[in-house]
Amino acid sequence: QVQLQQSGAELAKPGSSVKISCKASGYTFTSYYISWIKQTTGQGLEYIGYINTGSGGTNYNEKFKGKATLTVDKSSSTAFMQLSSLTPDDSAVYYCARSAMDAWGQGASVTVSS
Amino acid sequence: DIQMTQSPSVLSASVGDRVTLNCKASQNINKYLNWYQQKLGEAPKLLIYNTNNLQTGIPSRFSGSGSGTDYTLTISSLQPEDVATYFCFQHNSWPGTFGSGTKLEIK
Repeated sequence: QVQLQQSGAELAKPGSSVKISCKASGYTFTSYYISWIKQTTGQGLEYIGYINTGSGGTNYNEKFKGKATLTVDKSSSTAFMQLSSLTPDDSAVYYCARSAMDAWGQGASVTVSS
Repeated sequence: DIQMTQSPSVLSASVGDRVTLNCKASQNINKYLNWYQQKLGEAPKLLIYNTNNLQTGIPSRFSGSGSGTDYTLTISSLQPEDVATYFCFQHNSWPGTFGSGTKLEIK
């Protein structure tokens, strides 16, 4: 069955970076893009962008340009999202999802606090 | 960005009731509208894609309809396991945008 397994919770200091992983299984990895979504209590669900898992090409929501960097390792069927220059506003649960948005990872909690 | 407005924000209904959740887009989204169910502490789960297509494995009591800017998710007979927050998502225009959710409770 299709599974997206994300890395664990992160506690980070303001100004630092974190890198979240999303390992896919149960389907041909390069047949679907991987999307990333942010969820907070205040702002709800926000679409960050996606990566073409075959070419590595990316498309970002304007709001997250400069904040999120999406990469992929085809050899391990894993997508990554790095969040940089962290502030408390980046505290959220981050999900990866297959491009059809039909399968989601379990979410990775990021908490930014000094 | 397209704004998605869901109503009501909270809905309380009894087991067996027919319930309708609404989602309104700020412009025509050409039926590119998905519905997701999110239970507490879990990831969203796809219920309906492109307005009225039932995702594999989802009970037939869930259905979707709509066009243009107005869309609905209907549960024909509410079950206790349907307690969750429901989100709509448009993928007609970049970037995709979500509604703020309808929290469904059992009376």
